[in-house]
Amino acid sequence: DTAVSQTPKYLVTQMGNDKSIKCEQNLGHDTMYWYKQDSKKFLKIMFSYNNKELIINETVPNRFSPKSPDKAHLNLHINSLELGDSAVYFCASNNGGWNSPLHFGNGTRLTVT
Amino acid sequence: AQSVTQLDSQVPVFEEAPVELRCNYSSSVSVYLFWYVQYPNQGLQLLLKYLSGSTLVKSINGFEAEFNKSQTSFHLRKPSVHISDTAEYFCAVSETSGSRLTFGEGTQLTVNP
Repeated sequence: DTAVSQTPKYLVTQMGNDKSIKCEQNLGHDTMYWYKQDSKKFLKIMFSYNNKELIINETVPNRFSPKSPDKAHLNLHINSLELGDSAVYFCASNNGGWNSPLHFGNGTRLTVT
Repeated sequence: AQSVTQLDSQVPVFEEAPVELRCNYSSSVSVYLFWYVQYPNQGLQLLLKYLSGSTLVKSINGFEAEFNKSQTSFHLRKPSVHISDTAEYFCAVSETSGSRLTFGEGTQLTVNP
């Protein structure tokens, strides 16, 4: 299946831990994104990579570090997790340019206790 | 910078009734407009988009939206909804000059039998 897939689907962890979320797309897109969706369903862009290069880095704590080993993968590592990091994190991809629709993964629900 | 306002956070309707989900945007330049749908526990999926040309755009499952430049609106309509249309709907806008995509806060459509 052609898709954006992210793992894990659920992540429950304690404050202070470090965790990673992985994302892969097999759509041949050259741009990938991380979005955060809060409890009120508001979507906020965090990062964007184009062909492995960081092109958008929103005002996100530097505890969040994206890594793109190749243009089909974009991982998100989070250090020293805090309660406020609890949210659903979505990976997305497109062919670059904001007129190109985004293809989203199914999300990773992160719960920090 | 552009902004998006979805005027209704929740819209409950009965099956087979018509529905309109309202979206207004603010921008001083030309825009691209999108509607995305999010079913429970899934990522967002593109429903329809306006890039240029005809101001009335349609999806394959009976939704349509009309770009109204004078009213800066892009309302989503369906003449007869199904239970399966129950989902969160997001309006999104980006400027053709290349600004990033901005999402509205979402409208929860609930279709009751």
